[in-house]
Amino acid sequence: DQQVKQNSPSLSVQEGRISILNCDYTNSMFDYFLWYKKYPAEGPTFLISISSIKDKNEDGRFTVFLNKSAKHLSLHIVPSQPGDSAVYFCAASAKGAQKLVFGQGTRLTINP
Amino acid sequence: NAGVTQTPKFQVLKTGQSMTLQCAQDMNHNSMYWYRQDPGMGLRLIYYSASEGTTDKGEVPNGYNVSRLNKREFSLRLESAAPSQTSVYFCASSVRTKPATNEKLFFGSGTQLSVL
Repeated sequence: DQQVKQNSPSLSVQEGRISILNCDYTNSMFDYFLWYKKYPAEGPTFLISISSIKDKNEDGRFTVFLNKSAKHLSLHIVPSQPGDSAVYFCAASAKGAQKLVFGQGTRLTINP
Repeated sequence: NAGVTQTPKFQVLKTGQSMTLQCAQDMNHNSMYWYRQDPGMGLRLIYYSASEGTTDKGEVPNGYNVSRLNKREFSLRLESAAPSQTSVYFCASSVRTKPATNEKLFFGSGTQLSVL
């Protein structure tokens, strides 16, 4: 039972354009959401997060949007750069829980 | 500034062999985790340790054991390796002991394990 789903295994975007990565969740108890970025042969690194009390959080070129009614979040990268090519994982945690639940990941490729 | 260090980086085992994956963190974090990453499955939690002396099962604990040796070190043991355990294993750590809704994990660079 996949509680966090990233339905697009891969995404290709032209340099300078907007990249939009999507994530859906099923557990209504989730109240904190994170995005991690992973390069080949490295561990995931934290990118940006959002609490369920907000619907948007920005950090430079990265913005995360949360739609609680749709149980959907998205990561926007503007403008996209070649160094953004990586696998992106969304993750969620429930109030009181110790653990993060991860999605399957989306491989983003930025084309010059 | 090492962060989370995992050894070895690569390992090939034969079915039935045993091995221990080592993990150490130098950030004085309280919680440590073992995840496995498989194609199309994302990162799945094997075991975690909220504090020194405690361990708990995650989503996929079967076939594994763990030891929280001290605050810095958290090892993962495969007693009798099986081909289904071929995966990339990641160790991670985080600051808090109490359940928290803003838990941020710091990951090691991974161990690529193949079981033949």
